[in-house]
Amino acid sequence: GAVVSQHPSRVICKSGTSVKIECRSLDFQATTMFWYRQFPKKSLMLMATSNEGSKATYEQGVEKDKFLINHASLTLSTLTVTSAQPEDSSFYICSAGTGGPNEKLFFGSGTQLSVL
Amino acid sequence: QKEVEQNSGPLSVPEGAIASLNCTYSDRGSQSFFWYRQYSGKSPELIMFIYSNGDKEDGRFTAQLNKASQYVSLLIRDSQPSDSATYLCAVADNYGQNFVFGPGTRLSVLP
Repeated sequence: GAVVSQHPSRVICKSGTSVKIECRSLDFQATTMFWYRQFPKKSLMLMATSNEGSKATYEQGVEKDKFLINHASLTLSTLTVTSAQPEDSSFYICSAGTGGPNEKLFFGSGTQLSVL
Repeated sequence: QKEVEQNSGPLSVPEGAIASLNCTYSDRGSQSFFWYRQYSGKSPELIMFIYSNGDKEDGRFTAQLNKASQYVSLLIRDSQPSDSATYLCAVADNYGQNFVFGPGTRLSVLP
């Protein structure tokens, strides 16, 4: 299957710092990427849809000023958690679609964020 | 609101048995159906996809789709402890857009 790279895999930071997570599609171009968060033993929760060259679409209840998304190229989307707080600690996962009528979603390996 | 429903489990089966995971969806316009496996602490991994009614087999996995009844299932034959994971059902529309995930079913294969 297609490869989606996500970096870093783990981040520990102090409250108030900003954390950037990168998501790259390595062997295909992705006009759309998705960002999720997941708490332990809970379902995936879609945070936002990242569209190349335009503003991201955020799900209800997700603060766009808190979670900044940039999708500047067809292979890279970034999620920046601004002024991170302990309640932002979670597993963040990106996915990218291969496009076309039989589009499939492939996931990055995830980023475990721990805010102290 | 498009919905995808799964029994949260846990579903426990003995090693070597057949595990049957079910998923129902609300949008009749759905055309693409996927099963992902997620190990604890890891991200989901695509293991099966199906677009047409009927069965699709890949090794020990068989996906079954019935669009009239709006359900899709995943059968795992000869279940192994390494199959213990959460299985996510996902549904997309005609152009593979608007993926909607179910909450996942936790499978436990007992040695």
